[in-house]
Amino acid sequence: EPEVTQTPSHQVTQMGQEVILRCVPISNHLYFYWYRQILGQKVEFLVSFYNNEISEKSEIFDDQFSVERPDGSNFTLKIRSTKLEDSAMYFCASSLQGAGGYTFGSGTRLTVV
Amino acid sequence: AQSVSQHNHHVILSEAASLELGCNYSYGGTVNLFWYVQYPGQHLQLLLKYFSGDPLVKGIKGFEAEFIKSKFSFNLRKPSVQWSDTAEYFCAVNKYNQGGKLIFGQGTELSVKP
Repeated sequence: EPEVTQTPSHQVTQMGQEVILRCVPISNHLYFYWYRQILGQKVEFLVSFYNNEISEKSEIFDDQFSVERPDGSNFTLKIRSTKLEDSAMYFCASSLQGAGGYTFGSGTRLTVV
Repeated sequence: AQSVSQHNHHVILSEAASLELGCNYSYGGTVNLFWYVQYPGQHLQLLLKYFSGDPLVKGIKGFEAEFIKSKFSFNLRKPSVQWSDTAEYFCAVNKYNQGGKLIFGQGTELSVKP
């Protein structure tokens, strides 16, 4: 079964540093998403991406965040200057139609120290 | 704004007990409904989804869910749980026919005692 692949599985970074979380969505999917889950809290939507542009973003997704699909296969989330409160599990997801049937990746655990 | 509420934070059951996890959503329009499971240390996996048609939806691993539109509910059920069902369960909603975000409930942790 096709998978969404995320790397790294765990990243530790110092506060103020930039991080890039990487995702390889399923190859024929058209819609891409990032979600995050702070420990003990619910999964929260960050951003959706379709046709090479952001289609929707949450209030969490401020100027410190950006997404990119640099080469037609990778989908990246960049956090420019990490804060302690950015520590969370970040999930990438993709879907063919956008209305459902999402496939999630296994997540990247980001720890900001 | 859309929201999803899961009634139980932590449920503890013995093997072979029946399971029902509550989920209510608040949204006036047509929605797609999902249940995801997250086993310890693993990613979110889709258990089942409802888009339209028969409101009783069957998913993987013997799970089913019933959409009751009048109650804005989409409760998850399993007649007989196993130890391997120990996991966190998330209800989620998105707007019908739009490439929209999923809104998740806060999750229910299920512990099944052998």
